[in-house]
Amino acid sequence: KNQVEQSPQSLIILEGKNCTLQCNYTVSPFSNLRWYKQDTGRGPVSLTIMTFSENTKSNGRYTATLDADTKQSSLHITASQLSDSASYICVVSARGGYNKLIFGAGTRLAVHP
Amino acid sequence: EAQVTQNPRYLITVTGKKLTVTCSQNMNHEYMSWYRQDPGLGLRQIYYSMNVEVTDKGDVPEGYKVSRKEKRNFPLILESPSPNQTSLYFCASSRNGGQGGELFFGEGSRLTVL
Repeated sequence: KNQVEQSPQSLIILEGKNCTLQCNYTVSPFSNLRWYKQDTGRGPVSLTIMTFSENTKSNGRYTATLDADTKQSSLHITASQLSDSASYICVVSARGGYNKLIFGAGTRLAVHP
Repeated sequence: EAQVTQNPRYLITVTGKKLTVTCSQNMNHEYMSWYRQDPGLGLRQIYYSMNVEVTDKGDVPEGYKVSRKEKRNFPLILESPSPNQTSLYFCASSRNGGQGGELFFGEGSRLTVL
């Protein structure tokens, strides 16, 4: 069964600290992996999209990594800011047809001053 | 500005009263989709559309209908809403579904069914 699992479920860090969020998937065949940021009550916004051949992709202070062999991805946030407080969603696309998107449940990050 | 627009943003209704949530995109995207989001669960797909007049069920289609008569619009219809359809709904669009094009989401529609 195609699944995407994220950990931790929630995380609290202090402003200025770094953190890493994890995403493990069992989706096959794999097409691409995306990370989204969702502010409370708002629609998700894309951070990165990575294909099979990409190991790392950055978007400002956000860096995503992908290990297609172990089917793991991580999202590293550097020098966190209060505005980073949000849910971070990992989404994996399965190859075939329109390439179905499988969503993780998200990690809720709170950045405290 | 590229955007996906949903209306209404908030709605309280009663069991059995038909309602429609509209979704419109201005990016000429072929793919559009509806999701619901409930506490502790990931986004779950309700219906999707690959193009005009082409729609198909997602993972949780029961109790919902959709139509795609025009490329830009993809309304979600609840013929007889029930309390278990109380949820936060998102419409999204992209060039090509999950093939690599960015998926753009609307701001969400929070529905309460009493």
